[in-house]
Amino acid sequence: GAGVSQSPSNKVTEKGKDVELRCDPISGHTALYWYRQSLGQGLEFLIYFQGNSAPDKSGLPSDRFSAERTGGSVSTLTIQRTQQEDSAVYLCASSYGTGGNYEQYFGPGTRLTVT
Amino acid sequence: LAKTTQPISMDSYEGQEVNITCSHNNIATNDYITWYQQFPSQGPRFIIQGYKTKVTNEVASLFIPADRKSSTLSLPRVSLSDTAVYYCLVGATGRRALTFGSGTRLQVQP
Repeated sequence: GAGVSQSPSNKVTEKGKDVELRCDPISGHTALYWYRQSLGQGLEFLIYFQGNSAPDKSGLPSDRFSAERTGGSVSTLTIQRTQQEDSAVYLCASSYGTGGNYEQYFGPGTRLTVT
Repeated sequence: LAKTTQPISMDSYEGQEVNITCSHNNIATNDYITWYQQFPSQGPRFIIQGYKTKVTNEVASLFIPADRKSSTLSLPRVSLSDTAVYYCLVGATGRRALTFGSGTRLQVQP
């Protein structure tokens, strides 16, 4: 079946511009996660959605970052006024539920480069 | 949040067994232990999960001692294609408390 998809696969933007990253989770998965991975580093949790509950935004690094999930499916991560330190791979994952005993399925990521 | 500690890197040769140990001293009663594998330019993928004792699947084994303060991922007879970063995570249902950390970079040589 179809896995998690993300678009675009690569995005180059100028400092100060806004960008939107899209994630299409696996159908039926109620939980959706966003992570950020800088070059050679581990994954940094950003935000997660579970069903109709309020999202857990505790990992967002600044108020320039926001995310929404429409209809319990597709999610968009928005970064406003991008900075060079925002350059990283942004990974989306989905799972049947939240927490440590649910396998997360990851998308291929979006590589963001801020020049 | 349960914090995990893993070796930064490990080297091995094809055909050898590789054991990667993860420390999680403040693991909670309801926490599961999960290992993920990540190849370059890809998202992580699930390898194995356990709660206690030993779990085995077609690719790996997971050993968890009685106190659950550590766990060991065992990869039998590794090949070059096992070169990747391996992450240990702990967390429980209902909590998003999955901290990936920096992982262990395994390099398998011929």
